[in-house]
Amino acid sequence: GENVGLHLPTLSVQEGDNSIINCAYSNSASDYFIWYKQESGKGPQFIIDIRSNMDKRQGQRVTVLLNKTVKHLSLQIAATQPGDSAVYFCAENIAAAGNKLTFGGGTRVLVKP
Amino acid sequence: DAGVTQSPTHLIKTRGQQVTLRCSPKSGHDTVSWYQQALGQGPQFIFQYYEEEERQRGNFPDRFSGHQFPNYSSELNVNALLLGDSALYLCASSLYPTRGYNEQFFGPGTRLTVL
Repeated sequence: GENVGLHLPTLSVQEGDNSIINCAYSNSASDYFIWYKQESGKGPQFIIDIRSNMDKRQGQRVTVLLNKTVKHLSLQIAATQPGDSAVYFCAENIAAAGNKLTFGGGTRVLVKP
Repeated sequence: DAGVTQSPTHLIKTRGQQVTLRCSPKSGHDTVSWYQQALGQGPQFIFQYYEEEERQRGNFPDRFSGHQFPNYSSELNVNALLLGDSALYLCASSLYPTRGYNEQFFGPGTRLTVL
């Protein structure tokens, strides 16, 4: 299968623990921030997004936090499961620039049983 | 409901050759974007098609071109292939972002290897 995480920072997490994945973004004009999950051999899969006028949004087992002061985005995964093992990317979008996504470098999450 | 599909899955070419990659968007979507993902990196935006026209373009040379058909499917063409074009090419579909953002759904990608 496809290995998209050869040289990425890696987060090792014990099954059942919470995971926190961090991302620094570059453009203060970004309107939306999106987290994607990419498993080996697959394309990126949407997890959750947050608009720039919000600082927190929750989904199923996931929470995204946005700190515009320091241009920082985080994804928290509760009760991490083996199926959460993947590479996670943050992406940003500027409404005035259309639907073009600018991706960060990614973090590999390894869940230990 | 079929998601985004891409063909072929894998492709091997030699330097100087030309390649065409294909994408069928998710049912109901009218906009197709293409991204290049080098090994170990995040995807990089190549261009976006809507109503059979290129609407936006990233920082890629003219060797990269595309097309969108009336049924919303799309092709990515790369001419004069270089070794550095080896990557996973991803297609993403969405509804046209009238307000600047709509969720994009990605296909599984085409792995291009240039020898």
